[in-house]
Amino acid sequence: GENVEQHPSTLSVQEGDSAVIKCTYSDSASNYFPWYKQELGKGPQLIIDIRSNVGEKKDQRIAVTLNKTAKHFSLHITETQPEDSAVYFCAPSRAMNYGGSQGNLIFGKGTKLSVKP
Amino acid sequence: GAGVSQSPSNKVTEKGKDVELRCDPISGHTALYWYRQRLGQGLEFLIYFQGNSAPDKSGLPSDRFSAERTGESVSTLTIQRTQQEDSAVYLCASSLAGGQISGNTIYFGEGSWLTVV
Repeated sequence: GENVEQHPSTLSVQEGDSAVIKCTYSDSASNYFPWYKQELGKGPQLIIDIRSNVGEKKDQRIAVTLNKTAKHFSLHITETQPEDSAVYFCAPSRAMNYGGSQGNLIFGKGTKLSVKP
Repeated sequence: GAGVSQSPSNKVTEKGKDVELRCDPISGHTALYWYRQRLGQGLEFLIYFQGNSAPDKSGLPSDRFSAERTGESVSTLTIQRTQQEDSAVYLCASSLAGGQISGNTIYFGEGSWLTVV
């Protein structure tokens, strides 16, 4: 099964700085790479995703980059703001036609990002 | 709004009692997931429903845990003879058919906080 690791587990930055969170995975058949943001007391929310035919995707201040050869993908947040403070999770997965359970999505253990004003 | 709705939002129960947690998915979403999240930890897969297919129960930690889903609507997660280690947030999520693996966004509810005393 998929083995997913996130680094770092905690990250503290000054407002306006950039933050980078890395997710490594073991299943070479993975081809969908999302990042979720979980604010305190709420459920996770998808913020950006990328598929294996694309190396980078950007949406305003956030971006995701993918290195399939090395089996890792990263979340980049630029010009961080206090409202970016949250826990971020990755959950790489494979398409249905590769088999395996559709339900057992493996999430990383999370990265707690704190943005200091 | 028309998001994933979970109830109760908070539940305190005595050790040994049974509890039922309810999830109302987004209308039209045939895929439904239950996850458990212990304090400060990542998401632990419990069970997955997809339409009329047999559910994926591979994540249920013991036979004290069970879940049902009525057609493609409401789901109930039942924990019998609760133990203190069952204390956690129980998150429900839903998506269109096939879930994340088919490229459909997963929407999470805000969770049911369970405390076993």
